[in-house]
Amino acid sequence: DGGITQSPKYLFRKEGQNVTLSCEQNLNHDAMYWYRQDPGQGLRLIYYSQIVNDFQKGDIAEGYSVSREKKESFPLTVTSAQKNPTAFYLCASSIGQGSISNTGELFFGEGSRLTVL
Amino acid sequence: DAKTTQPPSMDCAEGRAANLPCNHSTISGNEYVYWYRQIHSQGPQYIIHGLKNNETNEMASLIITEDRKSSTLILPHATLRDTAVYYCIVRVAEGRGYNKFYFGSGTKLNVKP
Repeated sequence: DGGITQSPKYLFRKEGQNVTLSCEQNLNHDAMYWYRQDPGQGLRLIYYSQIVNDFQKGDIAEGYSVSREKKESFPLTVTSAQKNPTAFYLCASSIGQGSISNTGELFFGEGSRLTVL
Repeated sequence: DAKTTQPPSMDCAEGRAANLPCNHSTISGNEYVYWYRQIHSQGPQYIIHGLKNNETNEMASLIITEDRKSSTLILPHATLRDTAVYYCIVRVAEGRGYNKFYFGSGTKLNVKP
């Protein structure tokens, strides 16, 4: 089945450690996104990418890094510079603005919950 | 900058219509309004979207005011499984083909028996 797969679902990290969250999609979507969600809050955009080897900072990019070496994959690294990394992280994708059949909707993965001990 | 404002919570009786309001007073002419819902600790699920005209699909209806400064999501016959947080989102087309989706804090809809 087509969709977005995030892993791991749960992750624990010690302070000062970097951690990478995986996001893979087989929907042939051009655009991919990373969001952060804190308890009782909406989603805030960390990074987004429209094409391979290109990505843009979102509203809260500090302390995070991404890469887009393949169309299907958009991993997020939470670095030790992120002061409050405990959160629920959501990856999403969409067809991309240029598509004729673009409804523009975002398809989300099931999320990764990161806890810093 | 969330671009949307929603009430934090609403109650609805099972079987009745749920009307969820959203204000997006700073929306621009080419910015779409999307609605998603999120059941606890899952990824958000797409419901519907629109630009100017009212829209309807198998899940819901979207009513957009003529000035486009507000919209209402209507679930015609709410069930207990519709209990979730509902997000009203503005999609902004940025340069170079990028889209950004601005999420607000959402409305927690409680459907009661």
